[in-house]
Amino acid sequence: KQEVTQIPAALSVPEGENLVLNCSFTDSAIYNLQWFRQDPGKGLTSLLLIQSSQREQTSGRLNASLDKSSGRSTLYIAASQPGDSATYLCARLTSGTYKYIFGTGTRLKVLA
Amino acid sequence: DTGVSQDPRHKITKRGQNVTFRCDPISEHNRLYWYRQTLGQGPEFLTYFQNEAQLEKSRLLSDRFSAERPKGSFSTLEIQRTEQGDSAMYLCASSLAEGFGSGTRLTVV
Repeated sequence: KQEVTQIPAALSVPEGENLVLNCSFTDSAIYNLQWFRQDPGKGLTSLLLIQSSQREQTSGRLNASLDKSSGRSTLYIAASQPGDSATYLCARLTSGTYKYIFGTGTRLKVLA
Repeated sequence: DTGVSQDPRHKITKRGQNVTFRCDPISEHNRLYWYRQTLGQGPEFLTYFQNEAQLEKSRLLSDRFSAERPKGSFSTLEIQRTEQGDSAMYLCASSLAEGFGSGTRLTVV
């Protein structure tokens, strides 16, 4: 079964902390992995997409890495802010398929 | 604004009623996806279209569910004889993940 697991399920940190969100997957035939943000009651916003040939992507305070051999991806958020509070989802696309498989998400709360 | 719109935003219905949701994707995007998301879970794939052709359906899509994309533009998702277990957020995505709509939250009472 192709699964995507995210740890921790929930995280609460004080403003300014650097933090790491984890995503693990069982299928090594990965085409790409994408990180999304979801605010309560809203749809998904794409944050970073990492192709299977890449090891990391950066956008502002966000850095995502991909290690296919270990089946892991991490999302690093630097200098967290209360506006970063949201649910973060990772999703992987397997080669030869046309749909993303999502993890269960990490609910992040950044305290002012 | 992702350019993907879904209507309605919220729907409360009685068990056994039929409901229909609509998704308008980013114009000229050939692929359109439907996902279902329950509380505390990630989105789960339901089905996708390439233009007007429905190319894949999840086993989650029971025979009470039907989706159409008649002219390769907007899509509708219909649930017949709704059950309480159908309560969820139904998300539409344009292309693979170019843009997600804000979803339709269905509550079956």
